[in-house]
Amino acid sequence: DAKTTQPTSMDCAEGRAANLPCNHSTISGNEYVYWYRQIHSQGPQYIIHGLKNNETNEMASLIITEDRKSSTLILPHATLRDTAVYYCIVRVGQTGANNLFFGTGTRLTVIP
Amino acid sequence: GAVVSQHPSWVICKSGTSVKIECRSLDFQATTMFWYRQFPKQSLMLMATSNEGSKATYEQGVEKDKFLINHASLTLSTLTVTSAHPEDSSFYICSWEGPGEKLFFGSGTQLSVL
Repeated sequence: DAKTTQPTSMDCAEGRAANLPCNHSTISGNEYVYWYRQIHSQGPQYIIHGLKNNETNEMASLIITEDRKSSTLILPHATLRDTAVYYCIVRVGQTGANNLFFGTGTRLTVIP
Repeated sequence: GAVVSQHPSWVICKSGTSVKIECRSLDFQATTMFWYRQFPKQSLMLMATSNEGSKATYEQGVEKDKFLINHASLTLSTLTVTSAHPEDSSFYICSWEGPGEKLFFGSGTQLSVL
């Protein structure tokens, strides 16, 4: 099972872009990179996922390196409501969560 | 996005009693769902994987007779913490394998056992 490493915490000024890195050097060819976030005392919220191409949706952008060993989640204009723990996860799509490993995540604090 | 309803949001119970937590997917059906627990300042830990119509698969260290999972349908699953003790106090979260290869999570249940 591929595991991920993320910085423990990061700060970002409100209105600026937040760039959250993730290393997944042992990722397999059929494993996707998923990002979720968890606001205090709530269930995780899906943000974005991708296999090898960069992805963008209304919440964020996901940049995956060509060798797929790392990725970056970008919140283009961080707001105070983006303060949360962000989890980077690698998993094979739709095969169950036996290999779903939530690491410690990155605690992002958006500063006014 | 898809909606998962989990309740109760919080529950306080006496040691030795049982507590049932319900998890529903409101706008999609799915065969597979999961139960997690989370202790303060820690990450989510997978407890069990449940497929509708089959017995749940429990992770190592999770007692199946203590944490009973009833996966009643493609939209409803319950977790019963039997004979709860203070060490079972935790944040319990469910999720469903939903459309678009995504997991959709419930809002969690904070269990406090006195």
